[in-house]
Amino acid sequence: NAGVTQTPKFQVLKTGQSMTLQCAQDMNHNSMYWYRQDPGMGLRLIYYSASEGTTDKGEVPNGYNVSRLNKREFSLRLESAAPSQTSVYFCASSGGWAGRNTEAFFGQGTRLTVV
Amino acid sequence: QQQVKQSPQSLIVQKGGISIINCAYENTAFDYFPWYQQFPGKGPALLIAIRPDVSEKKEGRFTISFNKSAKQFSLHIMDSQPGDSATYFCAASTGGGNKLTFGTGTQLKVEL
Repeated sequence: NAGVTQTPKFQVLKTGQSMTLQCAQDMNHNSMYWYRQDPGMGLRLIYYSASEGTTDKGEVPNGYNVSRLNKREFSLRLESAAPSQTSVYFCASSGGWAGRNTEAFFGQGTRLTVV
Repeated sequence: QQQVKQSPQSLIVQKGGISIINCAYENTAFDYFPWYQQFPGKGPALLIAIRPDVSEKKEGRFTISFNKSAKQFSLHIMDSQPGDSATYFCAASTGGGNKLTFGTGTQLKVEL
């Protein structure tokens, strides 16, 4: 079982460039999430998708867009990268949403540097 | 505004000792409190979780203590081992689901 797979693992962008981070899960989970991890700040939620066809903003959505392509895939797009978006990005998925707390599984992360 | 405050930022413990990490929260609607363990270069992985209807949960060497009135919860690692050296995050969420609010993390080092 692959779990949650993120691509790419590393990326360097120039300021103003765009890119899409890909995430896929093979656990048939309903909910998917994008977090960013910065030193001393823990993980902060960027966007989430409670179920296929729905997306909502998290704590730090500015500068990002997402697409829930199907039940398996949830992508994160940076339209015009800024140095402040240098971070490690994690995708996660969990089985349930309404009324149930279920374990969230995380991918290996994408280390993004914007120069 | 940080809804989940975690301390200490870093911790060094001798092998066999007890590691204690503390978290405090503000939102009384939180009803699920997991702890995640993260090794360098890896994603966080669920270690143990508790709901506010119990005051303690133990799984092997790992114990969560929960104090609802004080809005605090802590992770105790008994008989700490070098393999426990990692970053630990507390988290909280509300009303079902896993839109998690994380603490800032504690870097634990267990020395021989």
